[in-house]
Amino acid sequence: NAGVTQTPKFQVLKTGQSMTLQCAQDMNHNSMYWYRQDPGMGLRLIYYSASEGTTDKGEVPNGYNVSRLNKREFSLRLESAAPSQTSVYFCASADSGVRSYEQYFGPGTRLTVT
Amino acid sequence: QKEVEQNSGPLSVPEGAIASLNCTYSDRGSQSFFWYRQYSGKSPELIMSIYSNGDKEDGRFTAQLNKASQYVSLLIRDSQPSDSATYLCAVRGGNAGNMLTFGGGTRLMVKP
Repeated sequence: NAGVTQTPKFQVLKTGQSMTLQCAQDMNHNSMYWYRQDPGMGLRLIYYSASEGTTDKGEVPNGYNVSRLNKREFSLRLESAAPSQTSVYFCASADSGVRSYEQYFGPGTRLTVT
Repeated sequence: QKEVEQNSGPLSVPEGAIASLNCTYSDRGSQSFFWYRQYSGKSPELIMSIYSNGDKEDGRFTAQLNKASQYVSLLIRDSQPSDSATYLCAVRGGNAGNMLTFGGGTRLMVKP
């Protein structure tokens, strides 16, 4: 049981390049989330998916797109990377039901945009 | 005003002491409260959740919730150097659906 996995672990992009961050969970959770974490700013929600087939914007969605590919997988795409998107990106998932809203995080992707 | 506020620290306590971490929130309708531990360079790890007023104990950790005063705290008894980390408070607001709002975290240092 791997929990939440993310790929890649590290990435360096040049301004204007695109990339997709992958996230998968094996806990049969309905909800999945993408956050970014910057020094002094804490964790900020980019997008989330309450269930397969739905996605919603979070606090800082500009410059990002997401796809909930199936119940297990939730990807985050940067179409044209900017230096302001240099950050650590975390994916999380949560169950629905008795222990809903308890979010479990993946190991993160450290992205640098030059 | 931030929705979830924590003192950034660092909070320094000697080994064996009680560490007390505090968090205040602005949404009076908030229903669910969580404490995460984050070691440097690692991802947040859920350590406690609390949903009703009062205390909830789990090993050396006690979460305390006071909805009337809009604060939630985490006590760590018999603090160990391995407890040195940043502790994040997260709150699910009254109309937040499945979303959590995180505080900026408090950095705890436990000195041997």
